[in-house]
Amino acid sequence: GAGVSQSPSNKVTEKGKDVELRCDPISGHTALYWYRQSLGQGLEFLIYFQGNSAPDKSGLPSDRFSAERTGGSVSTLTIQRTQQEDSAVYLCASSLDPKNIQYFGAGTRLSVL
Amino acid sequence: DQQVKQNSPSLSVQEGRISILNCDYTNSMFDYFLWYKKYPAEGPTFLISISSIKDKNEDGRFTVFLNKSAKHLSLHIVPSQPGDSAVYFCAARGYQGAQKLVFGQGTRLTINP
Repeated sequence: GAGVSQSPSNKVTEKGKDVELRCDPISGHTALYWYRQSLGQGLEFLIYFQGNSAPDKSGLPSDRFSAERTGGSVSTLTIQRTQQEDSAVYLCASSLDPKNIQYFGAGTRLSVL
Repeated sequence: DQQVKQNSPSLSVQEGRISILNCDYTNSMFDYFLWYKKYPAEGPTFLISISSIKDKNEDGRFTVFLNKSAKHLSLHIVPSQPGDSAVYFCAARGYQGAQKLVFGQGTRLTINP
């Protein structure tokens, strides 16, 4: 596709449920990043993939959060046993390589009730 | 700790005048700085960047200035247009060789006709 694609665009879930968020990066981009933006805040780094490996997971807030990337392309961010404080916009970005500009998708707005 | 700070949550400027958005950082190890623009319900869009070895970069109506001694950068938009109304995020990269971006909280720019 032309840009970074994320699905779903909106997700409403009940506290305690698991959710999966998907990111399709720009074709050929080897680096992929997940960020989240809570209300009124800047973007907060979660995890970075180079190919299928995640050399930097330092931003994952707890062990309820995990992510994987397969085939050097699609990535899934999974949040287990969601809590209300997980409510945020989750943004995915990709870049041709780690030194290049990161291009963002439109995000998934997660609401935990 | 907030390593990248945008101290003005909002800015209002008359159409045709200059808009100046400011950003301060605390970590001298950052080696690359970027500005992103974000419209509601869309992902951040890359605007302009600057390497730490430069003090100015210009692209059309947009100019970014970097003052390393003051750990300060600014984005100048001239002349400002109504379509420039958006939230602007300053971001920094390179701390400890990391590829992740560290973002400020954003400044909402409103251009008045």
